[in-house]
Amino acid sequence: ETGVTQTPRHLVMGMTNKKSLKCEQHLGHNAMYWYKQSAKKPLELMFVYNFKEQTENNSVPSRFSPECPNSSHLFLHLHTLQPEDSALYLCASSQDGVGGLNTEAFFGQGTRLTVV
Amino acid sequence: QKEVEQDPGPLSVPEGAIVSLNCTYSNSAFQYFMWYRQYSRKGPELLMYTYSSGNKEDGRFTAQVDKSSKYISLFIRDSQPSDSATYLCALADKAAGNKLTFGGGTRVLVKP
Repeated sequence: ETGVTQTPRHLVMGMTNKKSLKCEQHLGHNAMYWYKQSAKKPLELMFVYNFKEQTENNSVPSRFSPECPNSSHLFLHLHTLQPEDSALYLCASSQDGVGGLNTEAFFGQGTRLTVV
Repeated sequence: QKEVEQDPGPLSVPEGAIVSLNCTYSNSAFQYFMWYRQYSRKGPELLMYTYSSGNKEDGRFTAQVDKSSKYISLFIRDSQPSDSATYLCALADKAAGNKLTFGGGTRVLVKP
């Protein structure tokens, strides 16, 4: 148990579907992140939230829509995805928020997404 | 040019051997250097964390940073089959805030 829980673990969706990924952290952290991990590519940072506020959007297409209702929960809403969006989506959290650098990020198990 | 370069492997070694992993990078502003281990179907977990140049040892793991050469290394002594995983280097600089730049990962296989 890493303290960061992601659901679902696996998801298959059609290009016209709408689905959501959920992340919950039990570590009392202030910062939460979405990363994308594709085969043979480095982890790509998608979004950063500090104290529920989005502080970074790494040029992510609008078909990915994050939501952070509180410091413990993070969602990634998906709609009209493309097959090339198939990847492992990882959620992470770390202690510090705005103005602080804490690089000890704790990752969830990830959601394996397949777009058909 | 990628910001962080890491050989994808796989790197196959016999049990008990020393595993040597490395990353090179181009951004001289990086100050924080980390190694993550990722088992198949799992998320990455932090192994080592170093700041600036030098060595850091933790059990069988040793991390080295050479900022002048923009080169970081991870050594695993007395490797075990349970060390078989993908090892990711990650770098950060304070000016970029809470943002890690990852290498692509090196897959390591330790054979019994």
